[in-house]
Amino acid sequence: GENVEQHPSTLSVQEGDSAVIKCTYSDSASNYFPWYKQELGKGPQLIIDIRSNVGEKKDQRIAVTLNKTAKHFSLHITETQPEDSAVYFCAATYFGNEKLTFGTGTRLTIIP
Amino acid sequence: DTGVSQDPRHKITKRGQNVTFRCDPISEHNRLYWYRQTLGQGPEFLTYFQNEAQLEKSRLLSNRFSAERPKGSFSTLEIQRTEQGDSAMYLCASSHSSGDTQYFGPGTRLTVL
Repeated sequence: GENVEQHPSTLSVQEGDSAVIKCTYSDSASNYFPWYKQELGKGPQLIIDIRSNVGEKKDQRIAVTLNKTAKHFSLHITETQPEDSAVYFCAATYFGNEKLTFGTGTRLTIIP
Repeated sequence: DTGVSQDPRHKITKRGQNVTFRCDPISEHNRLYWYRQTLGQGPEFLTYFQNEAQLEKSRLLSNRFSAERPKGSFSTLEIQRTEQGDSAMYLCASSHSSGDTQYFGPGTRLTVL
């Protein structure tokens, strides 16, 4: 089955700086890669996703890049703000496989 | 669209008791998923429904667990004879169709004493 590894497990950045979180996946059939943000006591909230037919997707301060050959994808947050502090999870799946396989999460702390 | 809702948000029970959780998906979403999340880990898939049919179950779903989705609307997850190892956050998600975004509810945090 699919295995998703996520690094780093914790990340602290100064407010205004950029943050990068990286994930690798094992199943070459995977073609859908969402990123979720989870705040304390809440369920995961989708922040951005990417499908394997594109290499990069951007939504305001958030971007995701995908390298299918190397089987890794990354989340980039620019101009970080205190409200970006949360745990971020990457996930992978493929069309027809209903379950998402999640990484172990990255706790991002934005230092004011 | 009010999002996915779950009830209760918190449940404390004694070992050996039965518990039942409810999930109401986003209206018109025909797929409904249950995940379990333990502290410091990502969610792990338990099972999913397409309409009222339960189509896949993880090996994490022991025979003490049962899930239903009568009439293809809300779903319930029951755990019988709870064990301390069942303590976790139980998350429900829904999607419109296969391959679509899964939207998560706030979860039910279960503590087994």
